Amino acid sequence: QKEVEQDPGPLSVPEGAIVSLNCTYSNSAFQYFMWYRQYSRKGPELLMYTYSSGNKEDGRFTAQVDKSSKYISLFIRDSQPSDSATYLCAMVNTGFQKLVFGTGTRLLVSP
Amino acid sequence: DAGITQSPRHKVTETGTPVTLRCHQTENHRYMYWYRQDPGHGLRLIHYSYGVKDTDKGEVSDGYSVSRSKTEDFLLTLESATSSQTSVYFCAISESTGNNQPQHFGDGTRLSIL
Repeated sequence: QKEVEQDPGPLSVPEGAIVSLNCTYSNSAFQYFMWYRQYSRKGPELLMYTYSSGNKEDGRFTAQVDKSSKYISLFIRDSQPSDSATYLCAMVNTGFQKLVFGTGTRLLVSP
Repeated sequence: DAGITQSPRHKVTETGTPVTLRCHQTENHRYMYWYRQDPGHGLRLIHYSYGVKDTDKGEVSDGYSVSRSKTEDFLLTLESATSSQTSVYFCAISESTGNNQPQHFGDGTRLSIL
């Protein structure tokens, strides 16, 4: 079983929809959680970075962490075709910064 | 964009040949990382560096070596390339291992080994 599980999708939504992307994990030592966005043939780009449990909002994006359930989410409001990309979750325990990545969810937002 | 340049961006080579990929950064960050990305596996750490001449192995280091003679350059070498090393390789950098210093990635090198 992988340390981090992420549904590969694709997830197809119409423009303007609210999108929910999720990851589950098994290692309770993870303390820091990240979401990266990756466009085709580009490198991952950091979107959100959160510590421990709780919510963090940045524009149309909200990251949510539930450590008791070992579950993290990324919500995208008013989704746009430019949001079409693969979204990778990543996490790390305290101390050394050795990221563990999910395999990514491909999102398609249609006009 | 984080100042990270990977070269070459694409390469096709034959089994058994040595291959070197280069990562160059202009951010003066201490930490540099090499990952490979494969379908179904996500990003996996190959090697990382925590300073000039200081490197260590990651999750999938067999068949790879690295060198860092300058802060700005981190080289990944496939000593004798195999078809299983066909992948997209990403370099990442971070200012420190402090937990408020996330990693930033380059745009990758697509490597095909025939």
